[in-house]
Amino acid sequence: SFVLTQPPSVSVAPGETARIPCGGNNIGSKSVHWYQQTPGQAPVLVIYYDRNRPSGIPERFSGSNSGNTATLTISRVEAGDEADYYCQVWHTADYVLFGGGTKLTVL
Amino acid sequence: QVQLVQSGAEVRKPGSSVKVSCKASGDTFSSYGFSWVRQAPGQGLEWMGEVIPISGSANYAQKFQGRVTISADTYLQTAYMELSSLTSEDTAVYYCARGPLGGNSMIYCDLWGQGTLVTVSS
Repeated sequence: SFVLTQPPSVSVAPGETARIPCGGNNIGSKSVHWYQQTPGQAPVLVIYYDRNRPSGIPERFSGSNSGNTATLTISRVEAGDEADYYCQVWHTADYVLFGGGTKLTVL
Repeated sequence: QVQLVQSGAEVRKPGSSVKVSCKASGDTFSSYGFSWVRQAPGQGLEWMGEVIPISGSANYAQKFQGRVTISADTYLQTAYMELSSLTSEDTAVYYCARGPLGGNSMIYCDLWGQGTLVTVSS
């Protein structure tokens, strides 16, 4: 089955840019979706179809996908962005598949 | 306002079953699919399966095949997840999530319920 690999943690200073990778075999051929989950809360969709933002998600959130890596980029990071981030794809036989999640720490 | 409201927390004994509901409001129920995703304490998201109300079909993750039943009542605009043969490893928060369809499956989850804590303990 398909495997999505995320680093357990990423750290960034306020105002800097955070990049959260999601690796998978030829993931660039799939559509990748991203979720933000703050402690005790349900996940929230922040990027769909690689690079689209749902209504209400700040422009600071962007996505890209090519080759074997998809990336969620958060510009001008704020303290409120501290959360767990999950990538997700749809894959034949697995259907909805999540990465293991990355904890973003704002220093 | 469009939202998914789940049933309350449950406590079950090992070997028993649990059924969690998810009521949708404010939008066209049958235009979407509904997935169930669980999260064990301190762990990541794990997709269990989905129901497609417009067709009545359901798809399940291989890990849960035979132990989970996901269904929907279009009249009540409610999705359900029933998990049987519970063990302590099934202790988790269970989320329902709505999403757009691609073919006969959900593509992603654009709206989530608040979560239901299921505790399995003797």
